[in-house]
Amino acid sequence: GQQVMQIPQYQHVQEGEDFTTYCNSSTTLSNIQWYKQRPGGHPVFLIQLVKSGEVKKQKRLTFQFGEAKKNSSLHITATQTTDVGTYFCADNSGAGSYQLTFGKGTKLSVIP
Amino acid sequence: DAGITQSPRHKVTETGTPVTLRCHQTENHRYMYWYRQDPGHGLRLIHYSYGVKDTDKGEVSDGYSVSRSKTEDFLLTLESATSSQTSVYFCAISEFGTGETGYTFGSGTRLTVV
Repeated sequence: GQQVMQIPQYQHVQEGEDFTTYCNSSTTLSNIQWYKQRPGGHPVFLIQLVKSGEVKKQKRLTFQFGEAKKNSSLHITATQTTDVGTYFCADNSGAGSYQLTFGKGTKLSVIP
Repeated sequence: DAGITQSPRHKVTETGTPVTLRCHQTENHRYMYWYRQDPGHGLRLIHYSYGVKDTDKGEVSDGYSVSRSKTEDFLLTLESATSSQTSVYFCAISEFGTGETGYTFGSGTRLTVV
């Protein structure tokens, strides 16, 4: 199926610093979704991006979809300890649009 | 999340025994999924269902079977459990196959095969 690569795998930041995770594909994506998983928890849907160059914001979180629809990013401004967790991107561009293929995630640690 | 429950939450079983995990939803969503999560591998799709009695294989289906006899229940069976199937299993539901509103995940089942 479709492969989405996420970088970095881990990120440690001081509270108040910004954080960005990237999701890249070698082929064009139909859309991209982002999820957050808190430690010991389950993935929670954050947002879906569909249009080329799309930018969406949720409070301190900014999501972007690349112009060529081959990459996406999630940026968190002024991280807080509540942002700790693993952030996954996922796409359903692969064989059979009924299934999402997840990246391996970026694990964010926030040092108070 | 409300509307989807997995059982059991934790299970320890012996190698070679069959194991069934249950996912129950009250949202009347058509699409249901089983994923496994392992360190370094992220979430990988095992099987999914697009309706009652309609199922298909995912990326890592070997050693697993599923059944969906009712809209609300999706069962995952490990036919003969192996240590490599030690993992956290998540069920997910979706109203639309392409997931416009995203997937809703259950709280997971932590399975240990000894």
